[in-house]
Amino acid sequence: DSGVTQTPKHLITATGQRVTLRCSPRSGDLSVYWYQQSLDQGLQFLIQYYNGEERAKGNILERFSAQQFPDLHSELNLSSLELGDSALYFCASSVVERGGIQYFGAGTRLSVL
Amino acid sequence: GIQVEQSPPDLILQEGANSTLRCNFSDSVNNLQWFHQNPWGQLINLFYIPSGTKQNGRLSATTVATERYSLLYISSSQTTDSGVYFCAVDHSNSGNTPLVFGKGTRLSVIA
Repeated sequence: DSGVTQTPKHLITATGQRVTLRCSPRSGDLSVYWYQQSLDQGLQFLIQYYNGEERAKGNILERFSAQQFPDLHSELNLSSLELGDSALYFCASSVVERGGIQYFGAGTRLSVL
Repeated sequence: GIQVEQSPPDLILQEGANSTLRCNFSDSVNNLQWFHQNPWGQLINLFYIPSGTKQNGRLSATTVATERYSLLYISSSQTTDSGVYFCAVDHSNSGNTPLVFGKGTRLSVIA
């Protein structure tokens, strides 16, 4: 168990819908990262927050947004869903802002039908 | 951006055999991690190894940062070792710290 909790484990929804994925980092970790794993793109970084502030942005679509709350949990919001958004979404956390070991949650498997 | 190449892409082993997985990266890195993704999709941390050598049971890893490669050794493989092994690095020269993943090595261990 990595100590990073992601909910829900599975999500099935329809095109055009909006969903929210939740992540609770390990106790004491201030950085939260979101990654997407799809069959065609592999594992890709989406966005990072550190202590409530956005720190880095990767290949995140404009339809996607995220935030980190004062209690350090994070949410990833995906809207106007398309079939191609079906993927495994991982959250990771680390203690430091840069360079530290990242611990990954079990992921949320999103299926858009 | 930094390139991460893993080899071989696929590997089939008989239970009890040893194997070496390789990860080449194109620039200096702050962080290098090896992960095992099991058949249920979970990403399990194996090693945090930006340089040097570490061992954990039947697994060991070596990173030669000056030559920009890392090796993961699996000895006496078991069927539970099956899955995909990923190498991921964070780029020293980038202001960002996301991990860049290789495409992985898919390992199948046969009883």
